[in-house]
Amino acid sequence: AQKVTQAQTEISVVEKEDVTLDCVYETRDTTYYLFWYKQPPSGELVFLIRRNSFDEQNEISGRYSWNFQKSTSSFNFTITASQVVDSAVYFCALSERNNAGNMLTFGGGTRLMVKP
Amino acid sequence: NAGVTQTPKFRVLKTGQSMTLLCAQDMNHEYMYWYRQDPGMGLRLIHYSVGEGTTAKGEVPDGYNVSRLKKQNFLLGLESAAPSQTSVYFCASSPLEEMNTEAFFGQGTRLTVV
Repeated sequence: AQKVTQAQTEISVVEKEDVTLDCVYETRDTTYYLFWYKQPPSGELVFLIRRNSFDEQNEISGRYSWNFQKSTSSFNFTITASQVVDSAVYFCALSERNNAGNMLTFGGGTRLMVKP
Repeated sequence: NAGVTQTPKFRVLKTGQSMTLLCAQDMNHEYMYWYRQDPGMGLRLIHYSVGEGTTAKGEVPDGYNVSRLKKQNFLLGLESAAPSQTSVYFCASSPLEEMNTEAFFGQGTRLTVV
């Protein structure tokens, strides 16, 4: 069965610090997809990135970057020069290729607090 | 450009009462899902549907029923609410054409059972 673990339940940083959110996953499927979602204080879920298991290239989008390592089953998320607006709960999620219906398995989330 | 709309956004129920949460999507998506979010546990799948007229159980289906009579709507029912069902409920949808694309989420429904 698939499983996603976000060991960091809460992280507090001061603005402009870099911060990395860890995500470790378990799956028996060889084809799978990994996601990150952001949940700001307003409560909605905002899609950030999707990565398939065959693409291990790291990705950078502005201050956000993602490091995917199949060897360690990890898909970590780094925010560079954090800002107060980055304060949110961040979820890592997994979907297996053979899932009927593409449902997601979520990690428990990491609450990031960025202080001014 | 509504996307996924959940009704209601907030509700307080007494133990034993019943209610239905409505999810509507206007993107012609085949797949629809109901998740619940509890502190420290992320989102867990309650039920899902791979098309009109079909439903299936997810990880935590007990105490809930669902129906997908129309492609655009996915209803979640609580027949006899319990305090353990206090949670934030999210509906989501995703298209069939592209495998494992991201799910599009509604705004959530905060349900309190007293």
